[in-house]
Order: sequence, then structure tokens, then C-alpha cells
Amino acid sequence: AQSVTQPDIHITVSEGASLELRCNYSYGATPYLFWYVQSPGQGLQLLLKYFSGDTLVQGIKGFEAEFKRSQSSFNLRKPSVHWSDAAEYFCAVGPTNTGNQFYFGTGTSLTVIP
Amino acid sequence: EPEVTQTPSHQVTQMGQEVILRCVPISNHLYFYWYRQILGQKVEFLVSFYNNEISEKSEIFDDQFSVERPDGSNFTLKIRSTKLEDSAMYFCASSAGLAGADTQYFGPGTRLTVL
Repeated sequence: AQSVTQPDIHITVSEGASLELRCNYSYGATPYLFWYVQSPGQGLQLLLKYFSGDTLVQGIKGFEAEFKRSQSSFNLRKPSVHWSDAAEYFCAVGPTNTGNQFYFGTGTSLTVIP
Repeated sequence: EPEVTQTPSHQVTQMGQEVILRCVPISNHLYFYWYRQILGQKVEFLVSFYNNEISEKSEIFDDQFSVERPDGSNFTLKIRSTKLEDSAMYFCASSAGLAGADTQYFGPGTRLTVL
């Protein structure tokens, strides 16, 4: 069965520091992978997605993610975090051979300290 | 930029009551979805809808739930007789094509509180 794991429930970083949020997936074929961000009171905003090709994908707000098939990972990175990046981050996989639904991780809550 | 909208932002209801959550998908999108997120848990798929019918649904989407596209712009989720465990954030999403080939765009959510 398809699944997504985000091992870090909560991460705190200092403003200006680098950030890496982990995501591991379980799926038999090459997945479509997504990162979404949810700010308080807001919906899920797409940060970036991977379908095929270059395994390093660039997204909005200076984020990037790298697909590593050997590790079944799609970690999100940002070289220098801004206070406005404080939010909940969700990794998702979809669609799969069972349908066009998305499977989400449990999310990682990011706190940015000055 | 076009966006998915949802109303209301917060709905409080008594157990056993019917609720209708409303969504306006992006206008040229053809696929519509509902997801829910119970507090502290992951976002879970409920149902997808295409061409005026349900294309797939999860185990969560039982007979208490129904979806409808009553006109050319709205997409609704009805819970017939709410239970305490229905309290959650409900997200609507839409995509131009099949998810993956086309990204799902999410609305801001409706927080449903069942008392």
C-alpha cells in the first residue's frame, strides 16, 4: 500500500539557518511527489512537485527538493529560512495505480526563531 | 491567480444534524476532491468526482456522506447525520486533469466542529 512518512513532527530553526524536512514514501513504481505548505488559517499551497526528469526540483519561495529513488525519499530544503516560512509542511504522493487520490504525510510543523 | 474557495470557514453543529460544506473549484478544472484532516492527524482522502459522478472514494466515505455538483460552479459535501468523530478540517481540491499529471489545488478548508 502507498504511504508517506514525515519523521519529524516539529522542527525549530533560527532565521537564516538552513532547513531540511524529511519525507519517505512507499510505492512500487516511480511516484509523483509533492510538497505543500499550510500557513495558519490558510489552505494547502503547492510548493513544488516531481513527476520525472531532473531529480532536483525547484519550487516557490526558494524551496527545493531532491528525489532519491534508492532511499525512497523526497526531502525539502531551503538554504536560508525566513520568519515567514513558519508553517506546516506536508509531503504527498499521487496518483498511484489504485486511483488518483493523494496520500499525505502527517506533516512537519516548522517554527522559526529570530 | 485562480483559487479554490470554501465556505464556511468554520461550522459548528450538533451531533445528528446535517451539514453541507461548499466549495467553488477553479473554473476550468474537471476533477474535484474532498479530503479531511482530523486534528493532529494526516490529511485523508474522502472522494473524487468527475463528469458528475464519484470516480473513487475511501472507506471513510460511507453512506452518511454525499457529494454533488448542483450547478456549474459549486461542489458540495453533505454529511447526513454528523457524529462527534466527524469533527475535522475538510479540504476541497480540484485539478484540470488526473492528479499527478495535473496538480491538485486545495482550498483553505472548512473546520467542522460537532458538539
